[in-house]
Amino acid sequence: GAVVSQHPSRVICKSGTSVKIECRSLDFQATTMFWYRQFPKQSLMLMATSNEGSKATYEQGVEKDKFLINHASLTLSTLTVTSAHPEDSSFYICSAAGPNLNNEQFFGPGTRLTVL
Amino acid sequence: AQTVTQSQPEMSVQEAETVTLSCTYDTSESDYYLFWYKQPPSRQMILVIRQEAYKQQNATENRFSVNFQKAAKSFSLKISDSQLGDAAMYFCAYRSLPSRGSQGNLIFGKGTKLSVKP
Repeated sequence: GAVVSQHPSRVICKSGTSVKIECRSLDFQATTMFWYRQFPKQSLMLMATSNEGSKATYEQGVEKDKFLINHASLTLSTLTVTSAHPEDSSFYICSAAGPNLNNEQFFGPGTRLTVL
Repeated sequence: AQTVTQSQPEMSVQEAETVTLSCTYDTSESDYYLFWYKQPPSRQMILVIRQEAYKQQNATENRFSVNFQKAAKSFSLKISDSQLGDAAMYFCAYRSLPSRGSQGNLIFGKGTKLSVKP
């Protein structure tokens, strides 16, 4: 199947700093990328959907100024957590979808963010 | 809005036995996709099986099969000949059909933690 990578896999940062997480589709063109957040022992919650070249669509309750999403190319989307606080500590997962992929989404391995 | 409900937070099965995980959903759409994903301790999401709502035949992938009851909006997962490697969180998910050049997002249930006893 298609491969999606995420970088970094783990990041620890100080409160007030910004952190960027990259999501890359390695062998296909991802016209749509999704960003999810998963708290311990909970399900995945969609944060936003981004289509290449367009502004991201955020789910209700997700602050777009805090979670900046950029999808500038068909293989890369980034999520920047600005002015991170301890409550932003979570597991962030991206997925990607594109044409001719049987309407399937492919998930990255996730990024564990810890804000001290 | 669509919702997905998994009523079993935890399940346990003996190795080599069969277990069924339940999932119900709510939607007003007539066509959609349903999925079961496995999330092992590594946290990598792995697609187990998918079902297109317009297909009456239940999907099967080796030891994994579903019982799709469209009228009842039920989508259970049966794991036969359970193996130790099947131990994981299992998420049921719903997805609308893509539209306007955009792929539909997944709506997940809360998950069922499956333990496999040797």
